[in-house]
Amino acid sequence: GIQVEQSPPDLILQEGANSTLRCNFSDSVNNLQWFHQNPWGQLINLFYIPSGTKQNGRLSATTVATERYSLLYISSSQTTDSGVYFCALHVRFGAGTRLTVKP
Amino acid sequence: EAQVTQNPRYLITVTGKKLTVTCSQNMNHEYMSWYRQDPGLGLRQIYYSMNVEVTDKGDVPEGYKVSRKEKRNFPLILESPSPNQTSLYFCASSPLTGTGNTEAFFGQGTRLTVV
Repeated sequence: GIQVEQSPPDLILQEGANSTLRCNFSDSVNNLQWFHQNPWGQLINLFYIPSGTKQNGRLSATTVATERYSLLYISSSQTTDSGVYFCALHVRFGAGTRLTVKP
Repeated sequence: EAQVTQNPRYLITVTGKKLTVTCSQNMNHEYMSWYRQDPGLGLRQIYYSMNVEVTDKGDVPEGYKVSRKEKRNFPLILESPSPNQTSLYFCASSPLTGTGNTEAFFGQGTRLTVV
């Protein structure tokens, strides 16, 4: 079946730092997405990015479909960025990266 | 506003008492699905539907039923809930294209506790 692997599993940052989260996948991509799960459990759509690069404020994402990976960049992190970040391919979710941003 | 709406958001029930979690989307999406999220196990798909009257099992269908009588609604039914079905549940919808389902939109989640 489809494998989706995320790294790192946990990440602790000081406010203002930058970070890169990685998602490797085993299948051809036509619907890769990044989500942020906030402390209340809600899944927030960040990017729908089967290929190329997108930016939204301090967040950006790049998917290299030919090499089967996607990256999520968070710049100038804030405490409100804390939570779990998931990538998902088709119906398969990765295990997530738990981000903690300290003031 | 385009959205997926789940109800209820929180539910505590007793073992064996039938319950239904509703899901409705207003985006005319063909594809709808249910997930459960458990600590250490991540999000796993329970059932999905590719259109009205078309449903199929996901990875963890045991103990659940679904129906798709209308395009906008996809209720999740627990005929005889058990404590191991205590979980956070998400409904999702997405449009279908020639290459499959595309961007998924998720509901706000339903936190179910079975005692």
